[in-house]
Amino acid sequence: AQSVTQLDSHVSVSEGTPVLLRCNYSSSYSPSLFWYVQHPNKGLQLLLKYTSAATLVKGINGFEAEFKKSETSFHLTKPSAHMSDAAEYFCVVSVFNDYKLSFGAGTTVTVRA
Amino acid sequence: GAGVSQSPRYKVAKRGQDVALRCDPISGHVSLFWYQQALGQGPEFLTYFQNEAQLDKSGLPSDRFFAERPEGSVSTLKIQRTQQEDSAVYLCASYWREDNNEQFFGPGTRLTVL
Repeated sequence: AQSVTQLDSHVSVSEGTPVLLRCNYSSSYSPSLFWYVQHPNKGLQLLLKYTSAATLVKGINGFEAEFKKSETSFHLTKPSAHMSDAAEYFCVVSVFNDYKLSFGAGTTVTVRA
Repeated sequence: GAGVSQSPRYKVAKRGQDVALRCDPISGHVSLFWYQQALGQGPEFLTYFQNEAQLDKSGLPSDRFFAERPEGSVSTLKIQRTQQEDSAVYLCASYWREDNNEQFFGPGTRLTVL
């Protein structure tokens, strides 16, 4: 079985400062890892995904994440937060050929002007 | 269509009523999923279809929940005799290639049971 733990339920940053959202995973096999973002009243949108290629994954809107097997982590970062980044972020894991996605509890990001 | 659509977007039901939630996946997507997202939580898997076949319904919380996809496109999630604990956002997702593993999500249906 696989699972993810998002270490922060809320993150508040000032506009223009870096954002760090932390995620640890647990998986018996080589995982696929994803970050999704959910804006109010909008569907979940894929930010980026790791599927055993490069460990540093670049996604949309300036986000990137690094897969660290030794630390079982997949933290999401962005160098400079924008007001439009305010949303709910989910770290997600699945095992290859397992269609079930396991979501973390989510991290709410607020961006201060 | 351009994306996954769901209807209704909001549904209020009295306890004990039956409800039906609809999902229109992206055209051509073979696989379809339903998830339940309780307030303040991440989505949880309910069930999975490949074409019209329901291959996994292990996440359905009780026998009051039933899903179908009779023609391999549109899917309906039905909840019978709704209870307050059924209040949640119900998300539908689809993808077209099993090894791609990227699911595209609809906006969800927010169900409130009074």
